[in-house]
Amino acid sequence: EAGVAQSPRYKIIEKRQSVAFWCNPISGHATLYWYQQILGQGPKLLIQFQNNGVVDDSQLPKDRFSAERLKGVDSTLKIQPAKLEDSAVYLCASSFGSNQPQHFGDGTRLSIL
Amino acid sequence: GDSVTQMEGPVTLSEEAFLTINCTYTATGYPSLFWYVQYPGEGLQLLLKATKADDKGSNKGFEATYRKETTSFHLEKGSVQVSDSAVYFCALSVRDNYGQNFVFGPGTRLSVLP
Repeated sequence: EAGVAQSPRYKIIEKRQSVAFWCNPISGHATLYWYQQILGQGPKLLIQFQNNGVVDDSQLPKDRFSAERLKGVDSTLKIQPAKLEDSAVYLCASSFGSNQPQHFGDGTRLSIL
Repeated sequence: GDSVTQMEGPVTLSEEAFLTINCTYTATGYPSLFWYVQYPGEGLQLLLKATKADDKGSNKGFEATYRKETTSFHLEKGSVQVSDSAVYFCALSVRDNYGQNFVFGPGTRLSVLP
């Protein structure tokens, strides 16, 4: 089966600019997650979707981060405006349901200058 | 709050050595426990899991047993190979007020030398 697809693979922007990441989960997976992984740390959950609804966004910095999954399939994560501390790898994962094993994409590495 | 603690790396072993990576957790409720592995240049992959106390997860020669009494889920392998060099993440999943909470440990880098 095709895995979780993410794009772009790398992104370099200046602080205060905007950036968006795209994720296509595994077909049939209802649950989609976005994680932030700062260098040397484990992934930190930002937001979890069940179909097109948000289940948990308690750790999403809502003043600058937003995410949507309008049709319950693909998802986008946006940062506007970016700060230096947003430099990280942004991982998308999907699963059949909550508490099921998650399948991860390769991530988008974001560098803020 | 929910948390996962792992032994600090990097861990460097010779091929065929015995591996243990310690993992302990704190959680409200009854979590499921996971080990994920991240090979160089690749995304995270599920290595093994256990969903209740005394369950043993196993895959590719790796094992971990869910120990509720010690809140631990240590990863072991009897004989490591160079191809096992990667970063290993212990993680938990538990239901909380917001839904299902997922928490990852900081990761332990393993280097296996030939």
